[in-house]
Amino acid sequence: AQSVTQLDSQVPVFEEAPVELRCNYSSSVSVYLFWYVQYPNQGLQLLLKYLSGSTLVESINGFEAEFNKSQTSFHLRKPSVHISDTAEYFCAVSGYSGNTPLVFGKGTRLSVIA
Amino acid sequence: GAGVSQTPSNKVTEKGKYVELRCDPISGHTALYWYRQSLGQGPEFLIYFQGTGAADDSGLPNDRFFAVRPEGSVSTLKIQRTERGDSAVYLCASSHPGQMNTGELFFGEGSRLTVL
Repeated sequence: AQSVTQLDSQVPVFEEAPVELRCNYSSSVSVYLFWYVQYPNQGLQLLLKYLSGSTLVESINGFEAEFNKSQTSFHLRKPSVHISDTAEYFCAVSGYSGNTPLVFGKGTRLSVIA
Repeated sequence: GAGVSQTPSNKVTEKGKYVELRCDPISGHTALYWYRQSLGQGPEFLIYFQGTGAADDSGLPNDRFFAVRPEGSVSTLKIQRTERGDSAVYLCASSHPGQMNTGELFFGEGSRLTVL
């Protein structure tokens, strides 16, 4: 079984400042890792994913996350945030084998302040 | 539209009543998932369908919860004898056959259930 821990429930940050949202996972098998985002009044959307290969993955809107196997982490970062990045961010994990469902963390609410 | 559609968007009911929540997945997506999101929590897995059959229902909390997908497209989540603790947003997601193992799910906006 897999589990995900998002250590910060809320992260306020000023516009154009950098941000890091932390995610740690636990699994007895190899995993796929994901960040989903939920903008106000919208459904969850996939932001980025790590499946294999390069441990640094990027989204189209400037976010990046790095898979660190030794630390079982997949932290999300952005060097300069915008007001439009205000949303709830969920880290998720699924196991390699079979059709295992996604397991989500509790989420981190990012609030960007002008 | 082309996305996952869930109805109703909001449902208020009284304790003990029966509730049905509907999900219409993206056309061609054979996998369909139900999750539940309580206040301050992440989505919690309930059940997933591959085609018409429930491939994994290990997340259903008890026998008051049941889901069907009779024709392999639309799914209905059914909750009997609702309790106040069932209040949550119920999320539906679907995925393309080639994306199921890679976790790329497409979510609807959810059905918010409030049990008074």
